Amino acid sequence: SYVLTQAPSESVAPGKTARITCGGNNIESKSVHWYQQKPGQAPVLVISYDSDRPSGIPERFSGSNSGNTATLNISRVEAGDEADYFCQVWDSSSDHVLFGGGTKLTVL
Amino acid sequence: EVQLVESGGGLVRPGGSLRLSCAASGFTFSDYSMNWVRQAPGRGLEWVSSIITGSSKTYYADSVRGRFTISRDNGKNSLYLQMSNLRAEDTAVYYCARWGSGSADFDYWGQGTLVTVSS
Repeated sequence: SYVLTQAPSESVAPGKTARITCGGNNIESKSVHWYQQKPGQAPVLVISYDSDRPSGIPERFSGSNSGNTATLNISRVEAGDEADYFCQVWDSSSDHVLFGGGTKLTVL
Repeated sequence: EVQLVESGGGLVRPGGSLRLSCAASGFTFSDYSMNWVRQAPGRGLEWVSSIITGSSKTYYADSVRGRFTISRDNGKNSLYLQMSNLRAEDTAVYYCARWGSGSADFDYWGQGTLVTVSS
């Protein structure tokens, strides 16, 4: 079955760029969606269809998808960006929604 | 404003049953496919089930197929999850989530309802 792999944690200094990756076999053939979840809150969609930014999401958030890796980039990181980030795809071979294990972003 | 409000969570014994509800407002409920996603304490997100608008086709995670049933009532703008033969590993916050217009991304989420399975 298809698997999405995320690093458990990433750290970044304020003002720098955070890069959170999501690995999967030929993931570029799928549409990848990204969610931000802060403690005690529901997830929020921050990037859809690899690189689309929903209304209200800052331009600092961007996404890309190539080969076996999809990437969420957060530029000019702020303390408020500290959260868990999850990638998600629809696996048509199994008719299942799949989530990555999540990456906890720490702002130093 | 889109709102999704879950209810029905609580403490249930192993082998028991529970019915979750999700009340939707702020959009034309019948136009959108809907989902349940859960999160065990301290763990990541796990998709549970989806129901496709129009066809009412349903999909289930392997971990719940045969025990959970998703349904909807467009007249009441409500989504349901009937859970039976509950296990300790079903303990989680259950979120109702709307599928976006392309039925691929979850564009709106409720705040969740906690289900605890314990004796």
